[in-house]
Amino acid sequence: NAGVTQTPKFQVLKTGQSMTLQCAQDMNHEYMSWYRQDPGMGLRLIHYSVGAGITDQGEVPNGYNVSRSTTEDFPLRLLSAAPSQTSVYFCASSPTGGGNTIYFGEGSWLTVV
Amino acid sequence: AQSVTQLDSQVPVFEEAPVELRCNYSSSVSVYLFWYVQYPNQGLQLLLKYLSGSTLVKGINGFEAEFNKSQTSFHLRKPSVHISDTAEYFCAVSDSDSNYQLIWGAGTKLIIKP
Repeated sequence: NAGVTQTPKFQVLKTGQSMTLQCAQDMNHEYMSWYRQDPGMGLRLIHYSVGAGITDQGEVPNGYNVSRSTTEDFPLRLLSAAPSQTSVYFCASSPTGGGNTIYFGEGSWLTVV
Repeated sequence: AQSVTQLDSQVPVFEEAPVELRCNYSSSVSVYLFWYVQYPNQGLQLLLKYLSGSTLVKGINGFEAEFNKSQTSFHLRKPSVHISDTAEYFCAVSDSDSNYQLIWGAGTKLIIKP
């Protein structure tokens, strides 16, 4: 019963490097999203998708790209890492529609030096 | 929903004492309300949610919350906390105005003192 799987769990990047955080879910959920969590700021939505081939920006999209080629996968790409992107990143999925429970991955700790 | 306010960033409480974590929101339409819990170094998981019906909602691990429409609040309570309840608790709201995107509070850290 995998749920939402994120990789890697920990990553250190140098400023300017690019990388991809992987996210996969096995619950056939249409809705997937990426959040970042910073101390005292709660969760902030980066990008989300309501189905394969459809993505949209959240609250803090700058510096990040996403794609959704399949229902299962929703990778997050950092184009040119900056120290301000040091954070914990969470992928989440849910069925579409209001009131549904969101299921979170275990998080990816990213440090940009 | 326009915003969610969790009034306390940290709540210290002695083990076996009762606790209340406060959450207020601003919205002019019908809302869905959620509490999620994040244990140390883990992702978030649903504690309970209010969709409609009874305003008192019971969740996992002995927690409950009460929806108060007139005060636009959804406070979380537990009559007797345990050391295992040490976690960060997030309140979230969604409504038709936000296209049912969740609006999150900043979180409240529950600190259990032995």
